[in-house]
Amino acid sequence: DAGVTQSPTHLIKTRGQQVTLRCSPKSGHDTVSWYQQALGQGPQFIFQYYEEEERQRGNFPDRFSGHQFPNYSSELNVNALLLGDSALYLCASSFQGKSTDTQYFGPGTRLTVL
Amino acid sequence: GQNIDQPTEMTATEGAIVQINCTYQTSGFNGLFWYQQHAGEAPTFLSYNVLDGLEEKGRFSSFLSRSKGYSYLLLKELQMKDSASYLCAVRDALTGGGNKLTFGTGTQLKVEL
Repeated sequence: DAGVTQSPTHLIKTRGQQVTLRCSPKSGHDTVSWYQQALGQGPQFIFQYYEEEERQRGNFPDRFSGHQFPNYSSELNVNALLLGDSALYLCASSFQGKSTDTQYFGPGTRLTVL
Repeated sequence: GQNIDQPTEMTATEGAIVQINCTYQTSGFNGLFWYQQHAGEAPTFLSYNVLDGLEEKGRFSSFLSRSKGYSYLLLKELQMKDSASYLCAVRDALTGGGNKLTFGTGTQLKVEL
């Protein structure tokens, strides 16, 4: 049973560039959430996708956008990169129909903006 | 919004017991989670509490008091591999359905010989 997978593992970009991160949820899961984790901090909620719709976003600007595909996989796009966007980007998947709705995390993408 | 507090660092001895506390203030509460995160890796789910009381799972137990806005994670028979960051996260419902997690900054646990 494959867990949550993310690609790429690491990425280096320069300020002003754009980046796309990808996530495949755990088998049987239909909901994908994205989090940003700065060094020494806990993950911060960016947004969640279910049925190809963004449900709600956290305190992140419109430079952060996303998409969910019919197979439940998801992409996170960040435009006009800033140095402060350097972080570990985590994808978490869950199953909407289960009451505990536990989120399981992927290995993350380490983004460095120079 | 949510405000979650947990100690930044703790040190304990191999074989001992350690308790990591978490306090929270929330505008909406729909469960509390504990995750373990080794350096450079993804958070791994440890436990979930939605009702008051103790949930035990092997060497790990988690307690919740909703009236006090308080939880703790208890680790018994500590092993060196337990050295990691422990994240307390509160779940609240999204207006459009679903849930989001709000995390504390994590408690870095160091297990020594």
